Amino acid sequence: DTGVSQDPRHKITKRGQNVTFRCDPISEHNRLYWYRQTLGQGPEFLTYFQNEAQLEKSRLLSDRFSAERPKGSFSTLEIQRTEQGDSAMYLCASSGYRGEGTGELFFGEGSRLTVL
Amino acid sequence: SQQGEEDPQALSIQEGENATMNCSYKTSINNLQWYRQNSGRGLVHLILIRSNEREKHSGRLRVTLDTSKKSSSLLITASRAADTASYFCATVYNAGNNRKLIWGLGTSLAVNP
Repeated sequence: DTGVSQDPRHKITKRGQNVTFRCDPISEHNRLYWYRQTLGQGPEFLTYFQNEAQLEKSRLLSDRFSAERPKGSFSTLEIQRTEQGDSAMYLCASSGYRGEGTGELFFGEGSRLTVL
Repeated sequence: SQQGEEDPQALSIQEGENATMNCSYKTSINNLQWYRQNSGRGLVHLILIRSNEREKHSGRLRVTLDTSKKSSSLLITASRAADTASYFCATVYNAGNNRKLIWGLGTSLAVNP
């Protein structure tokens, strides 16, 4: 399967714990995006990478959130000291650079976080 | 903040009927995209229409774009129960040297067998 993969698919944690999500994009894609989605809402942009460079972070991304993309391949999203409000689906997407900016995004199946 | 706004928020139809969803946006765009999301799953790209295009087809999907009204519509013809999902529009606009993609809140479509 050469699609975007995310791990874990589901994570239940207690408030105050740290969690980390991993995203493996489509191998030839240089752009990688993280979104958060709550029930009944559209995806909310968190951050995006072009290769290994983190080019933009949303104001939604508090200092408890950190994302990395070492070597421009897979990416991790870590949430420290989780809060109940962090409960959401965390979506990763990748896209290839075609010289025209944002084209089609390819999404993974998401990582659902439940903070108790 | 969300730029795209879909309407209706929810739509329920019978199998075989056509479903039409609309998306309105606020700023000039580079392109507009429609995605589908089955419950609890990731989003799947359906179709992209550029700002200089007015209509695009893909199988049972037809997308129109009216830049003067800043709106787009997605038509699904001869709907099937498997079309039950949420549908999102995403608008791409120029912001300096970057292009940004903004999502709407989605239309929840239920196709009843």
